[in-house]
Amino acid sequence: QKEVEQNSGPLSVPEGAIASLNCTYSDRVSQSFFWYRQYSGKSPELIMSIYSNGDKEDGRFTAQLNKASQYVSLLIRDSQPSDSATYLCAVRGDTGTASKLTFGTGTRLQVTL
Amino acid sequence: NAGVTQTPKFRILKIGQSMTLQCTQDMNHNYMYWYRQDPGMGLKLIYYSVGAGITDKGEVPNGYNVSRSTTEDFPLRLELAAPSQTSVYFCASRSLVVGTTYEQYFGPGTRLTVT
Repeated sequence: QKEVEQNSGPLSVPEGAIASLNCTYSDRVSQSFFWYRQYSGKSPELIMSIYSNGDKEDGRFTAQLNKASQYVSLLIRDSQPSDSATYLCAVRGDTGTASKLTFGTGTRLQVTL
Repeated sequence: NAGVTQTPKFRILKIGQSMTLQCTQDMNHNYMYWYRQDPGMGLKLIYYSVGAGITDKGEVPNGYNVSRSTTEDFPLRLELAAPSQTSVYFCASRSLVVGTTYEQYFGPGTRLTVT
């Protein structure tokens, strides 16, 4: 059973601070890693993808991947109230799995004024 | 370009009734997926399809059926609805084109209650 683990939160950070969201996965052959943001009552939207070890930056978002530790994280710099949402970590298995994703249960982020 | 559309947005079913959740995408994507999301949980894959005429089970297929007669449409059928099928259902699609990301595009969801 492939598993993706996230702390459900809520993670509360003040406006302007850095929010750090973490995710671990069980399948060592996992190839691709994604962070989706989901506002309450809405569908998930992709905000970051990462495929190789290291950091990947896109605006205020940085994804970090460590395949040896089976760990992926998302940093949100200068957090804004509009960042308040649930963040879902998703992992794609090996190339023979029709790009199926396994999702974590999500971490709820609250950015306070 | 509407992306992924789903109908209906909301539905209440009585136990034992049947219904079909509709999903259509206009991006010419080969891969399509059905997920369910229970409160406070992540998404669980119900069924997926890699192209017209080809479907396969995901993690939680029991109580559901799918078909894929065209590239655009991927309906999900619930037979003999049960309270355990109360959930939000999301349809998603993804391109097969080499060089694209593996991003799945999600529809707006269908909120289903079975009482």
